[in-house]
Amino acid sequence: YELTQSPSMSVSPGQTAKITCSGDRLEDVYTYWYQQKPGQSPVLVIFQDKKRPSGIPERFSASTSGNTATLTISGTQSSDEATYYCQAWRNNAAFFGGGTKLTVL
Amino acid sequence: QVHLVESGGGVVQPGGSLRLSCAASGFTFSAYAMHWVRQAPGRGLEWMALISFDERDIFYADSVKGRFTVSRDNSQNTVYLQMDSLKSDDSALYYCARDGSATRSEIEHWGQGALVTVSS
Repeated sequence: YELTQSPSMSVSPGQTAKITCSGDRLEDVYTYWYQQKPGQSPVLVIFQDKKRPSGIPERFSASTSGNTATLTISGTQSSDEATYYCQAWRNNAAFFGGGTKLTVL
Repeated sequence: QVHLVESGGGVVQPGGSLRLSCAASGFTFSAYAMHWVRQAPGRGLEWMALISFDERDIFYADSVKGRFTVSRDNSQNTVYLQMDSLKSDDSALYYCARDGSATRSEIEHWGQGALVTVSS
C-alpha cells in the first residue's frame, strides 16, 4: 500500500500550509500525521483523521476526502519547519508516506 | 510521563543477529500495544512491527516478516525486537513506540531510537 506525499514545500511565516497525502481509498481508513524535526523523534500531531493530541496547537488541523488527506497548518510559524509524515493502516500493516519537508521562509 | 528507552543497537555483519530492547516507564505498560519503526539515514519512516498488549496480535511489515520477531515482557515493562539474517538495508535508527490503545491505532509516543549498522 502506497501513500504519496510531495517531497517538499515552502510557506511564508503567518501563511497557511497544506500538506497532502494520497492513497487508494484513504477515506476508508483513519489517517495519522507526524511531525519530525531534524535530529528528533517523530511527534504525533493528528490522529483519527482530524483529532489533535493534547499539547498540539490549534493551528494544526486535518481532513480527508476521497483518496486524499490534507494536513493544514494555519498561521505557520518558524517552529513548524519540519518533515511531516502521513500514516494509515491497511491489512494489519502500517504504512507511512514518504514525508513532506516543510520550509518556513 | 511516557518514557521509552531503546538499547542493544550496534554494528553487526550481514547475516548476523541483534536484539533490541525497549524499557518503558511512566504508564501502565501491560495496557498498550507497542511498535517498532525504523528510519534509514536521510530517509523516511518505515513501520516494522506491532505487538498488542496481550501478545495475541502480532503483525510485521513484509520487508522483515520471517526475519524479525517482536515480543514483550509485561512483568519487566520491556518490548524486544529480535533481528536475524540482517542485511545492509536493515541499517537504520530503530524507534520503539507506544500505541494509543491496547491493540492498534495511532503511534502515540516515540523513544529516541537505537542505531543499527549492518556492515562487514
